[in-house]
Amino acid sequence: EVQLVESGGGLVQPGRSLRLSCTVSGFTFGDYAMSWFRQAPGKGLEWVGLIRIKTYGGTTEYAESVKGRFTISRDDSKSIAYLQMNSLKTEDTAVYYCSRDPDSSGYFDYWGQGTLVTVSS
Amino acid sequence: EIVLTQSPATLSLSPGERATLSCRASQSVYRYLAWYQQRPGQAPRLLIYDAFNRATGIPARFSGSGSGTDFTLTISSLEPEDFAVYYCQQRSNRPLTFGGGTKVEIK
Repeated sequence: EVQLVESGGGLVQPGRSLRLSCTVSGFTFGDYAMSWFRQAPGKGLEWVGLIRIKTYGGTTEYAESVKGRFTISRDDSKSIAYLQMNSLKTEDTAVYYCSRDPDSSGYFDYWGQGTLVTVSS
Repeated sequence: EIVLTQSPATLSLSPGERATLSCRASQSVYRYLAWYQQRPGQAPRLLIYDAFNRATGIPARFSGSGSGTDFTLTISSLEPEDFAVYYCQQRSNRPLTFGGGTKVEIK
């Protein structure tokens, strides 16, 4: 069974950092690009960024709203994707989801349950 | 950035009725459009990709159509579990973008 489980969310002050993890099982993690998304309370979905598979250099792309502050990485040996979030702002408050991208298609067939990040003083 | 505009914002229907949801793109996305369903408190679920292909395990009552800038998701006969929010998403250009969503609620 394919499973993605996000962890690491919580309450953090503006300007601080937080690292989210996405631990997967049920598929060969190294064969899939992974993306992070977020959803502010009561709002729609926003793509945060992606990381490609090692075959394509493991390169990353980011939304403009997080570029330079957020970093996505992966550890294929542990089947974990990470989202390092620095210089957090109140507008980063959201549920953060990870998702897998089959064949680097740009579509997302399995998602985690999400982890809530609240940025507040 | 490609903007996706979904209409209507809310659709009030009864079980068994047909639902027609619209997604319009600010520029052509060819057929590179997906639809997702999101129930309260749950993660999105992929329904349709490349405009009209049903994802694995998605019932046949869900169908997608369109190309270029205008797309439609049709639910032929609403089941109780279909009352949810639906989002369209394009993968034609970066950044990947989503529409604002259509809520299908029970009338």
